Amino acid sequence: QQQVKQSPQSLIVQKGGISIINCAYENTAFDYFPWYQQFPGKGPALLIAIRPDVSEKKEGRFTISFNKSAKQFSLHIMDSQPGDSATYFCAASLGKGGGSQGNLIFGKGTKLSVKP
Amino acid sequence: EPEVTQTPSHQVTQMGQEVILRCVPISNHLYFYWYRQILGQKVEFLVSFYNNEISEKSEIFDDQFSVERPDGSNFTLKIRSTKLEDSAMYFCASTEGGGPYYEQYFGPGTRLTVT
Repeated sequence: QQQVKQSPQSLIVQKGGISIINCAYENTAFDYFPWYQQFPGKGPALLIAIRPDVSEKKEGRFTISFNKSAKQFSLHIMDSQPGDSATYFCAASLGKGGGSQGNLIFGKGTKLSVKP
Repeated sequence: EPEVTQTPSHQVTQMGQEVILRCVPISNHLYFYWYRQILGQKVEFLVSFYNNEISEKSEIFDDQFSVERPDGSNFTLKIRSTKLEDSAMYFCASTEGGGPYYEQYFGPGTRLTVT
Protein backbone atom coordinates (compact mmCIF):
# COMPACT_ATOMS: atom_id res chain seq x y z
CA GLN A 1 0.00 0.00 0.00
CA GLN A 2 2.83 2.36 0.84
CA GLN A 3 5.01 1.35 -2.09
CA VAL A 4 5.85 3.22 -5.22
CA LYS A 5 6.98 0.94 -8.05
CA GLN A 6 9.38 2.41 -10.58
CA SER A 7 10.58 1.14 -13.95
CA PRO A 8 12.84 0.65 -15.73
CA GLN A 9 15.79 0.12 -13.42
CA SER A 10 18.15 1.50 -16.04
CA LEU A 11 17.73 3.33 -19.31
CA ILE A 12 20.09 4.20 -22.14
CA VAL A 13 19.00 6.93 -24.54
CA GLN A 14 20.74 8.66 -27.42
CA LYS A 15 21.33 12.38 -27.22
CA GLY A 16 18.26 14.19 -28.46
CA GLY A 17 15.95 11.29 -27.70
CA ILE A 18 13.07 11.05 -25.24
CA SER A 19 13.61 9.39 -21.87
CA ILE A 20 10.52 7.94 -20.20
CA ILE A 21 10.41 6.63 -16.63
CA ASN A 22 7.26 5.16 -15.15
CA CYS A 23 5.91 4.86 -11.63
CA ALA A 24 2.84 3.25 -10.13
CA TYR A 25 1.27 3.46 -6.70
CA GLU A 26 -1.55 1.81 -4.76
CA ASN A 27 -2.45 4.22 -2.00
CA THR A 28 -5.09 6.66 -3.25
CA ALA A 29 -4.37 8.93 -0.27
CA PHE A 30 -1.10 9.99 -1.87
CA ASP A 31 -1.47 13.62 -2.76
CA TYR A 32 1.92 14.81 -3.97
CA PHE A 33 4.22 13.21 -6.51
CA PRO A 34 7.71 14.66 -6.91
CA TRP A 35 10.57 13.49 -9.08
CA TYR A 36 14.10 13.75 -7.74
CA GLN A 37 17.35 13.75 -9.67
CA GLN A 38 20.53 12.45 -8.08
CA PHE A 39 24.06 12.80 -9.42
CA PRO A 40 26.85 10.60 -8.05
CA GLY A 41 28.10 11.82 -4.69
CA LYS A 42 25.18 14.22 -4.26
CA GLY A 43 21.87 14.10 -2.46
CA PRO A 44 18.60 13.90 -4.36
CA ALA A 45 17.38 17.23 -5.72
CA LEU A 46 13.79 18.08 -6.61
CA LEU A 47 13.28 18.17 -10.36
CA ILE A 48 9.54 18.60 -10.81
CA ALA A 49 6.41 17.71 -8.86
CA ILE A 50 2.70 17.29 -9.48
CA ARG A 51 -0.50 16.99 -7.51
CA PRO A 52 -3.29 14.65 -8.67
CA ASP A 53 -5.68 17.43 -9.62
CA VAL A 54 -3.78 17.95 -12.90
CA SER A 55 -2.89 15.44 -15.57
CA GLU A 56 0.31 17.02 -16.81
CA LYS A 57 2.97 19.45 -15.70
CA LYS A 58 5.77 20.74 -17.85
CA GLU A 59 8.94 22.54 -16.86
CA GLY A 60 11.35 23.08 -19.71
CA ARG A 61 12.32 19.69 -21.14
CA PHE A 62 10.79 17.80 -18.21
CA THR A 63 7.14 16.72 -18.15
CA ILE A 64 5.17 14.71 -15.63
CA SER A 65 2.15 12.86 -16.97
CA PHE A 66 -0.31 11.76 -14.33
CA ASN A 67 -3.08 9.17 -14.72
CA LYS A 68 -5.15 9.18 -11.55
CA SER A 69 -7.50 6.37 -12.57
CA ALA A 70 -4.59 4.07 -13.42
CA LYS A 71 -2.58 5.26 -10.39
CA GLN A 72 0.42 5.85 -12.58
CA PHE A 73 2.68 8.76 -13.33
CA SER A 74 5.65 9.17 -15.57
CA LEU A 75 8.56 11.49 -16.25
CA HIS A 76 9.37 12.44 -19.82
CA ILE A 77 12.68 14.09 -20.63
CA MET A 78 12.59 15.62 -24.09
CA ASP A 79 15.74 16.22 -26.12
CA SER A 80 17.78 14.24 -23.59
CA GLN A 81 21.33 15.48 -23.05
CA PRO A 82 24.46 13.80 -21.65
CA GLY A 83 24.17 16.17 -18.68
CA ASP A 84 20.86 14.52 -17.83
CA SER A 85 22.72 11.29 -17.02
CA ALA A 86 21.79 10.65 -13.39
CA THR A 87 19.56 8.50 -11.21
CA TYR A 88 15.92 9.56 -11.14
CA PHE A 89 13.57 8.74 -8.30
CA CYS A 90 9.83 9.10 -8.27
CA ALA A 91 8.25 9.62 -4.89
CA ALA A 92 4.89 10.09 -3.25
CA SER A 93 3.61 11.69 -0.10
CA LEU A 94 0.35 11.65 1.77
CA GLY A 95 -1.59 14.87 1.76
CA LYS A 96 -2.15 16.99 4.83
CA GLY A 97 -5.47 15.24 5.31
CA GLY A 98 -3.54 12.03 5.82
CA GLY A 99 -1.62 13.62 8.63
CA SER A 100 1.56 13.68 6.65
CA GLN A 101 4.49 15.72 7.83
CA GLY A 102 5.90 15.44 4.36
CA ASN A 103 7.84 12.21 4.52
CA LEU A 104 8.51 10.91 1.05
CA ILE A 105 8.09 7.33 -0.16
CA PHE A 106 10.56 6.73 -2.95
CA GLY A 107 10.67 4.39 -5.89
CA LYS A 108 13.79 2.29 -6.42
CA GLY A 109 15.30 4.69 -8.92
CA THR A 110 16.20 4.63 -12.61
CA LYS A 111 19.75 5.11 -13.76
CA LEU A 112 19.64 7.12 -16.96
CA SER A 113 22.59 7.25 -19.34
CA VAL A 114 22.38 9.60 -22.30
CA LYS A 115 24.89 8.69 -25.01
CA PRO A 116 26.42 11.50 -27.08
CA GLU B 1 22.52 29.32 -2.78
CA PRO B 2 21.77 27.90 0.68
CA GLU B 3 22.39 24.21 1.06
CA VAL B 4 22.14 21.40 3.57
CA THR B 5 25.52 20.17 4.73
CA GLN B 6 26.41 16.87 6.37
CA THR B 7 29.45 15.60 8.22
CA PRO B 8 31.32 13.39 8.00
CA SER B 9 31.09 12.38 4.36
CA HIS B 10 32.19 8.85 5.24
CA GLN B 11 32.17 7.13 8.61
CA VAL B 12 33.58 3.69 9.26
CA THR B 13 32.70 2.06 12.57
CA GLN B 14 32.76 -1.33 14.19
CA MET B 15 29.62 -3.25 14.96
CA GLY B 16 28.22 -2.33 18.36
CA GLN B 17 29.75 1.15 18.39
CA GLU B 18 27.76 4.36 18.62
CA VAL B 19 27.84 6.85 15.78
CA ILE B 20 26.54 10.38 15.44
CA LEU B 21 25.80 11.77 12.02
CA ARG B 22 25.60 15.53 11.77
CA CYS B 23 23.58 17.83 9.57
CA VAL B 24 23.29 21.57 9.24
CA PRO B 25 19.91 22.36 7.66
CA ILE B 26 19.19 25.52 5.69
CA SER B 27 19.02 28.33 8.23
CA ASN B 28 15.37 29.41 7.94
CA HIS B 29 14.02 25.88 7.63
CA LEU B 30 11.91 24.46 10.43
CA TYR B 31 11.26 20.84 9.47
CA PHE B 32 13.99 18.25 9.33
CA TYR B 33 14.21 14.71 8.05
CA TRP B 34 16.54 11.75 7.95
CA TYR B 35 16.47 9.20 5.15
CA ARG B 36 18.74 6.30 4.36
CA GLN B 37 19.70 4.53 1.17
CA ILE B 38 21.21 1.07 1.32
CA LEU B 39 23.54 0.56 -1.61
CA GLY B 40 21.59 -0.09 -4.78
CA GLN B 41 18.22 0.27 -3.08
CA LYS B 42 15.64 3.00 -2.72
CA VAL B 43 15.77 5.96 -0.41
CA GLU B 44 13.80 5.21 2.77
CA PHE B 45 12.27 7.63 5.25
CA LEU B 46 13.50 7.34 8.83
CA VAL B 47 12.17 10.28 10.84
CA SER B 48 10.84 13.81 10.68
CA PHE B 49 11.42 16.45 13.34
CA TYR B 50 9.79 19.76 14.14
CA ASN B 51 9.81 22.06 17.14
CA ASN B 52 12.25 19.82 19.00
CA GLU B 53 10.03 16.80 18.69
CA ILE B 54 9.76 13.79 16.44
CA SER B 55 6.77 14.33 14.15
CA GLU B 56 6.75 11.02 12.38
CA LYS B 57 8.96 7.94 12.24
CA SER B 58 9.13 4.79 10.19
CA GLU B 59 9.37 1.19 11.33
CA ILE B 60 13.11 1.36 10.63
CA PHE B 61 13.54 4.04 13.29
CA ASP B 62 13.64 1.77 16.33
CA ASP B 63 15.07 2.32 19.82
CA GLN B 64 18.65 2.27 18.61
CA PHE B 65 18.07 5.50 16.71
CA SER B 66 17.61 8.96 18.15
CA VAL B 67 17.59 12.49 16.79
CA GLU B 68 18.43 15.77 18.39
CA ARG B 69 18.75 19.44 17.60
CA PRO B 70 21.40 20.31 20.16
CA ASP B 71 21.68 23.95 19.14
CA GLY B 72 20.19 26.38 16.65
CA SER B 73 21.98 24.98 13.66
CA ASN B 74 22.81 21.27 13.98
CA PHE B 75 20.51 18.28 13.58
CA THR B 76 21.95 14.92 14.54
CA LEU B 77 21.13 11.25 14.07
CA LYS B 78 22.57 8.88 16.66
CA ILE B 79 22.77 5.14 16.23
CA ARG B 80 23.50 3.64 19.64
CA SER B 81 24.78 0.19 18.78
CA THR B 82 25.47 -0.16 15.09
CA LYS B 83 24.73 -3.34 13.18
CA LEU B 84 26.11 -4.53 9.87
CA GLU B 85 22.74 -3.80 8.26
CA ASP B 86 23.00 -0.14 9.25
CA SER B 87 25.59 0.31 6.52
CA ALA B 88 24.00 2.80 4.14
CA MET B 89 24.06 6.35 2.89
CA TYR B 90 22.22 8.61 5.32
CA PHE B 91 20.64 11.79 3.97
CA CYS B 92 19.43 14.75 5.95
CA ALA B 93 16.76 17.01 4.44
CA SER B 94 15.02 20.19 5.49
CA THR B 95 12.02 22.27 4.43
CA GLU B 96 10.76 25.68 5.40
CA GLY B 97 7.23 24.42 6.01
CA GLY B 98 5.57 21.27 7.18
CA GLY B 99 3.47 18.92 5.12
CA PRO B 100 3.96 17.37 1.73
CA TYR B 101 4.00 20.33 -0.62
CA TYR B 102 7.20 22.00 0.48
CA GLU B 103 10.38 21.14 -1.38
CA GLN B 104 12.73 19.01 0.65
CA TYR B 105 16.36 20.02 0.26
CA PHE B 106 18.72 17.10 0.70
CA GLY B 107 22.30 17.13 1.90
CA PRO B 108 25.06 15.21 0.12
CA GLY B 109 24.81 12.32 2.57
CA THR B 110 27.05 10.45 4.99
CA ARG B 111 28.18 7.02 3.93
CA LEU B 112 28.18 4.79 7.01
CA THR B 113 30.13 1.57 6.83
CA VAL B 114 29.76 -0.86 9.72
CA THR B 115 32.40 -3.61 9.88
